[in-house]
Amino acid sequence: QVQLQQSGAELVKPGSSVKISCKASGYTFTSYDMHWIKQQPGNGLEWIGWIYPGNGNTKYNQKFNGKATLTADKSSSTAYMQLSSLTSEDSAVYFCARLGGSSGVMDAWGQGASVTVSS
Amino acid sequence: DIVLTQSPVLAVSLGQRATISCRASQSVSISSINLMHWYQQKPGQQPKLLIYRASNLASGIPARFSGSGSGTDFTLTIDPVQADDIAAYYCQQSRESPWTFGGGTKLELK
Repeated sequence: QVQLQQSGAELVKPGSSVKISCKASGYTFTSYDMHWIKQQPGNGLEWIGWIYPGNGNTKYNQKFNGKATLTADKSSSTAYMQLSSLTSEDSAVYFCARLGGSSGVMDAWGQGASVTVSS
Repeated sequence: DIVLTQSPVLAVSLGQRATISCRASQSVSISSINLMHWYQQKPGQQPKLLIYRASNLASGIPARFSGSGSGTDFTLTIDPVQADDIAAYYCQQSRESPWTFGGGTKLELK
């Protein structure tokens, strides 16, 4: 079955960067877009962007331009999101999610990776 | 950006019907395709797909969940509500980038 396994919780300092991973299994990694979503404590969901691992194409929510960088490693079926110049506003849980089909629906989600920005 | 508006909380009794609404700031439909989807999220868990394209039940989701709507107004119905359904529910549109989510409706027991 489709599984997305994300890396663990991170405690990072303001101004630094962090890289979160999302390892895919149970399907052909290079054939499906991978999306990333942010959820701040007690808040709703915010779409960050997507990457197509087949060719590395990306699209970002303009709000996250310069903040998030999406990459993918085909050899290990792993997608990555790097967040830079971290502030307290970046403290959140970050999910990866597979795009299922062409309608823009996310049919499988990782368990989430918590990022806490604190000095 | 397309703004999706949901009521924050809905209180319901077990065995009753729950109707959760989502209103979009502009149409999320293209021809007859409604690009609105619904997710359930329990505390400490990732969201789970319930309904795609407004009215299609995702794989493995019980038939007590259903969705309807078009254009700017959409509804998720749970009938009858069971204890396991107590969670937050989010609508999401894929009509236009950036994709956006509603603020979520927390389903609570009366």
